[in-house]
Amino acid sequence: DAGVIQSPRHEVTEMGQEVTLRCKPISGHDYLFWYRQTMMRGLELLIYFNNNVPIDDSGMPEDRFSAKMPNASFSTLKIQPSEPRDSAVYFCASSLITGELFFGEGSRLTVL
Amino acid sequence: GNSVTQMEGPVTLSEEAFLTINCTYTATGYPSLFWYVQYPGEGLQLLLKATKADDKGSNKGFEATYRKETTSFHLEKGSVQVSDSAVYFCALRDPGGGNKLTFGTGTQLKVEL
Repeated sequence: DAGVIQSPRHEVTEMGQEVTLRCKPISGHDYLFWYRQTMMRGLELLIYFNNNVPIDDSGMPEDRFSAKMPNASFSTLKIQPSEPRDSAVYFCASSLITGELFFGEGSRLTVL
Repeated sequence: GNSVTQMEGPVTLSEEAFLTINCTYTATGYPSLFWYVQYPGEGLQLLLKATKADDKGSNKGFEATYRKETTSFHLEKGSVQVSDSAVYFCALRDPGGGNKLTFGTGTQLKVEL
């Protein structure tokens, strides 16, 4: 059974460009999470969804960040415009209610 | 708010040494506690968990006991291997906070021959 699938694995872009990260959760999972990992701040929760509805977006750093989950099998995290300080590894994770979180392999973003 | 504090790394050990990675937490109520492990270039994966006080989680030779009186969940292994080299994250789930986890900053473990 496939795990959480993220794309792209690596993205290098220039400041000011739009970045879209994609996630396919495990089939049947009703929670989806976006985390950001940096050396300075560790692992931060950006936003999470339950049954495709955003529940808590208090971790989204600013209006440049947006996330959507149009259906149970797909989510996007968009940064527009991107800045160098957005460089990080972005993880998507999914779970059943009160269950183990399953993480994707991450998308490493570098903004020049 | 909820928070998790882990000992800073990197922790460098020789193979077969005893491992302890300290983790303490601050939370309202009685959270569930977790240890996740991240191998190089991979996402995090669950190592073990405990859902109530005095529970002991265990997996792959690793153990951690939920200590409510000291608000701690220290990770231990009696004899580490080179293959245990990874970053270890302590985390908590607030029972009133949906299914989201609050993670510590992670502790890198390096095991040498």
